Amino acid sequence: DAGVIQSPRHEVTEMGQEVTLRCKLISGHNSLFWYRQTMMRGLELLIYFNNNVPIDDSGMPEDRFSAKMPNASFSTLKIQPSEPRDSAVYFCASSLVVSTDTQYFGPGTRLTVL
Amino acid sequence: KNQVEQSPQSLIILEGKNCTLQCNYTVSPFSNLRWYKQDTGRGPVSLTIMTFSENTKSNGRYTATLDADTKQSSLHITASQLSDSASYICVVSSSGTYKYIFGTGTRLKVLA
Repeated sequence: DAGVIQSPRHEVTEMGQEVTLRCKLISGHNSLFWYRQTMMRGLELLIYFNNNVPIDDSGMPEDRFSAKMPNASFSTLKIQPSEPRDSAVYFCASSLVVSTDTQYFGPGTRLTVL
Repeated sequence: KNQVEQSPQSLIILEGKNCTLQCNYTVSPFSNLRWYKQDTGRGPVSLTIMTFSENTKSNGRYTATLDADTKQSSLHITASQLSDSASYICVVSSSGTYKYIFGTGTRLKVLA
């Protein structure tokens, strides 16, 4: 299996633009997690899904952020409008089940908002 | 307040030496505790996951311990290698709603 796939790997955009990050889960996995990592705040969980249903989105910083799972193997994280403080590395991870199973992380998307 | 604190913040050791990283938490109710290794520029990789009833779990040269009474965990690395240089992150999740609380990590540098 190719593992969790994220695209793009790098994104540079200007403040105010819409940004869409993409994630493909490992085949057969049912849970999907979106994380953000910065030097200042470390790793933060933004939202996670189980069987395509959002379970906890309390980590989503504000309404500018939205995440969807249009099908069982794919997810998007959208930021609209983007701001410089959104600059970070965004990871997605998938697991078989949400509770005690191992999460497998993708390589991340490095987002820079100018 | 649910918190996870890791120590030390950074650590430098010589290749071949052992080291122990600490994780103290105040998360309640407790579900499980995970240790991740994150190489620079890459996503975290899971090392161990421990539930309430588990005291020790090993993954090669990595051994994690959990004391649920004192709410402490440690990650012991035996016979360190240069490839162990990375950040190690402790994550505790609470049961029910599965909230994940992250430590800020320990940055380990192994020197030849």
